[in-house]
Amino acid sequence: DTGVSQDPRHKITKRGQNVTFRCDPISEHNRLYWYRQTLGQGPEFLTYFQNEAQLEKSRLLSDRFSAERPKGSFSTLEIQRTEQGDSAMYLCASSSGGLQGGNTQYFGPGTRLTVL
Amino acid sequence: GDSVTQMEGPVTLSEEAFLTINCTYTATGYPSLFWYVQYPGEGLQLLLKATKADDKGSNKGFEATYRKETTSFHLEKGSVQVSDSAVYFCALIFSSGSARQLTFGSGTQLTVLP
Repeated sequence: DTGVSQDPRHKITKRGQNVTFRCDPISEHNRLYWYRQTLGQGPEFLTYFQNEAQLEKSRLLSDRFSAERPKGSFSTLEIQRTEQGDSAMYLCASSSGGLQGGNTQYFGPGTRLTVL
Repeated sequence: GDSVTQMEGPVTLSEEAFLTINCTYTATGYPSLFWYVQYPGEGLQLLLKATKADDKGSNKGFEATYRKETTSFHLEKGSVQVSDSAVYFCALIFSSGSARQLTFGSGTQLTVLP
């Protein structure tokens, strides 16, 4: 069973640049989630997909953030015009959505973003 | 809104000591409850879960019981090892309705000394 994978693991960028992260969920999972984690805090929800439909977005997701899941498989999270406050660990998770344990989310290793 | 409160860390124990990390929640309804563990530089790993009142989740010697009357889900282990050093997160989720996201506590850093 291949787990959730994320790419890249680390990204260093300069303020104002655009960055894109990729997440590949567990293959049979139809739900995919993005979270952001800052140092010393628990993860905070950003957005959620069921198949290719983006069903929920947190108010943390400003208009500089956009997420897609075009074919209901992998997902991308893009941040435009990065700011230093965007520095964080971006975590992706997936779940099956089934009746048995369907709300259990499995996390990838995360992408650590540093904005200089 | 829904929230999770964990005991503040850091917690430092000697190997083979007994561990308790307190977690309480505030929620309208009956969520599922989880403990996740995060090792340095890694993502979150599911440690255990409980989906209804009085359920006990267990894994790798860790246990937690869903207590509806005290809205708690305290994590326990009888004898910790150095390899248990990590950050532990308590979280909740609702399985029905529109909300699908996990709500996390702020985490408790555990260091186990040999």
